Amino acid sequence: QVQLQESGPGLVKPSETLSLTCAVSGYSISSGYYWGWIRQPPGKGLEWIGSIYHSGSTYYNPSLKSRVTISVDTSKNQFSLKLSSVTAADTAVYYCARLGIVVVFDYWGQGTLVTVSS
Amino acid sequence: EIVMMQSPATLSVSPGERATLSCRASQSVSSNLAWYQQKPGQAPRLLIYGASTRATGIPARFSGSGSGTEFTLTISSLQSEDFAVYYCQQYNNWPLTFGGGTKVEIK
Repeated sequence: QVQLQESGPGLVKPSETLSLTCAVSGYSISSGYYWGWIRQPPGKGLEWIGSIYHSGSTYYNPSLKSRVTISVDTSKNQFSLKLSSVTAADTAVYYCARLGIVVVFDYWGQGTLVTVSS
Repeated sequence: EIVMMQSPATLSVSPGERATLSCRASQSVSSNLAWYQQKPGQAPRLLIYGASTRATGIPARFSGSGSGTEFTLTISSLQSEDFAVYYCQQYNNWPLTFGGGTKVEIK
């Protein structure tokens, strides 16, 4: 069974960089598929942030592209998100997920709340 | 960017009744449309992909239809566990985009 688990600080100061990691178990990232990050501000809908292939190829949401970096570490079977220059508007639950064979999110992490506040 | 619009925002339905949720794309996404269910405090769960194919383990009371720009998710007979928020998502083009969601609540 594929499992994903997000980890990282729950509180980030404005203007700093948000950093999260998603550990994958039950499936080797090196075997394929895209892997991605999605966020959900409190009480609002879902926003795709970006996705990465095991080779390192990435796609980013244009609205966040200038601030986002997604990377993969196949040796640790994990991938990471960095979002720079955060503001209160970046406060959200951040999910990591696998993009399955038809490019839909078939496995999700439980999500982690990141609050941007001084 | 393809904009996904869902209606209604909230749908009040009695248990056992049929629920029909709509999703419209700003341009054609062919059949590259997925539906997700999200319950409070949980991650979304994939229900439907390819506009009409149920994901593994999804009950037959969930069905999807449509192509191009107009899509529908139907829940034939609502069970207590089906009251949740439902999102559509297109994967025809990058960036991937979600609709704003439809909340299905108990009438």
